[in-house]
Amino acid sequence: AQKVTQAQTEISVVEKEDVTLDCVYETRDTTYYLFWYKQPPSGELVFLIRRNSFDEQNEISGRYSWNFQKSTSSFNFTITASQVVDSAVYFCALSEPVYNTDKLIFGTGTRLQVFP
Amino acid sequence: GAGVSQTPSNKVTEKGKYVELRCDPISGHTALYWYRQSLGQGPEFLIYFQGTGAADDSGLPNDRFFAVRPEGSVSTLKIQRTERGDSAVYLCASSLIGTEDTGELFFGEGSRLTVL
Repeated sequence: AQKVTQAQTEISVVEKEDVTLDCVYETRDTTYYLFWYKQPPSGELVFLIRRNSFDEQNEISGRYSWNFQKSTSSFNFTITASQVVDSAVYFCALSEPVYNTDKLIFGTGTRLQVFP
Repeated sequence: GAGVSQTPSNKVTEKGKYVELRCDPISGHTALYWYRQSLGQGPEFLIYFQGTGAADDSGLPNDRFFAVRPEGSVSTLKIQRTERGDSAVYLCASSLIGTEDTGELFFGEGSRLTVL
């Protein structure tokens, strides 16, 4: 089965705190992509990252970092020194191109609220 | 503008009516996707096009839903005999060639459909 689970429905932090958003996935194959998208109040989803299933190296981009662990089927996202502008809903997603489809399977999202 | 444009941004209709939602992708993007997002949920895949053809329509919930992309650019999602359960935000996204490229989908702001 293909599934993405984001168990944290909502997280609230105070500015400058670090926060980690969890993502656990289930997939049918060894070849897949994992994604994170941000959805601010405007509603437009914004791409953050794509990770290939064969690349388990952690990724860092500014205050954002991602930890991909195939052993636990997790792809967690950490924001360091959070800011108010980070407040949004964050979605983790999975695609399985080997099945000749380009669809993304999204989790239910984690709403992050960063308070000043 | 340079982004994905969706019209109308809001549509209120009565149960049983026919609705069309339009998506104008980024120029030159061959891949186009439709997703549906209900309140508090992640986007749910409906259909995706490569050029003019529907490469995967496995997410269309039933035969009341249909989408076209006759010239490989603008796409229209058509819903017949609308039901209250069709109420959601319908998101369109486009990509240069699909997730096999950079993986980035560019989303529009969505069309919010309310069926009374």
